[in-house]
Amino acid sequence: KAGVTQTPRYLIKTRGQQVTLSCSPISGHRSVSWYQQTPGQGLQFLFEYFSETQRNKGNFPGRFSGRQFSNSRSEMNVSTLELGDSALYLCASSLGLGWREQYFGPGTRLTVT
Amino acid sequence: GIQVEQSPPDLILQEGANSTLRCNFSDSVNNLQWFHQNPWGQLINLFYIPSGTKQNGRLSATTVATERYSLLYISSSQTTDSGVYFCAVGGGSNYKLTFGKGTLLTVNP
Repeated sequence: KAGVTQTPRYLIKTRGQQVTLSCSPISGHRSVSWYQQTPGQGLQFLFEYFSETQRNKGNFPGRFSGRQFSNSRSEMNVSTLELGDSALYLCASSLGLGWREQYFGPGTRLTVT
Repeated sequence: GIQVEQSPPDLILQEGANSTLRCNFSDSVNNLQWFHQNPWGQLINLFYIPSGTKQNGRLSATTVATERYSLLYISSSQTTDSGVYFCAVGGGSNYKLTFGKGTLLTVNP
């Protein structure tokens, strides 16, 4: 089975722009979660989707949003980028419905200049 | 929310040595995972272990849920074991994982 895939792998944007990151979960997995990793804050939960519904959201400003499509693929969007948004963004998938083990993709490294 | 503490923060070993990494958590959990982050940033699943003991080759893990801690054992360490090891826990009805700050393991030849 193919693992979790994320695109793009690397991205450079300037302040004020917006960005969309994509995540394709493992086939059959219906839950997708997003995490941000920075040297200062470590790994922090952004949000989780299941069957196209956001089930949980972390403590991030409204500039961070996401969605999930009917095929379980997910996108996250960051608007009005700030320098502090530079981070590794990781996507994880799990079967859902009580099956909690999560599998992570390779991440998208976003640099905001 | 759940608090997760990992110790030690840094560990330096000679190849062939054994090590124990610890993860303490502040509340009951229904998910506990150990990960190894590779140099490119990907989190590699080591164990899904909300309770009990598991072994996989030179690695083993034990979670004592009633006492709110988990241990990751690495035996006969190799240089390829170097990297950051994360413990992550989840509780309640949602699937959110809360991560510890990690243990940076360096294995010298």
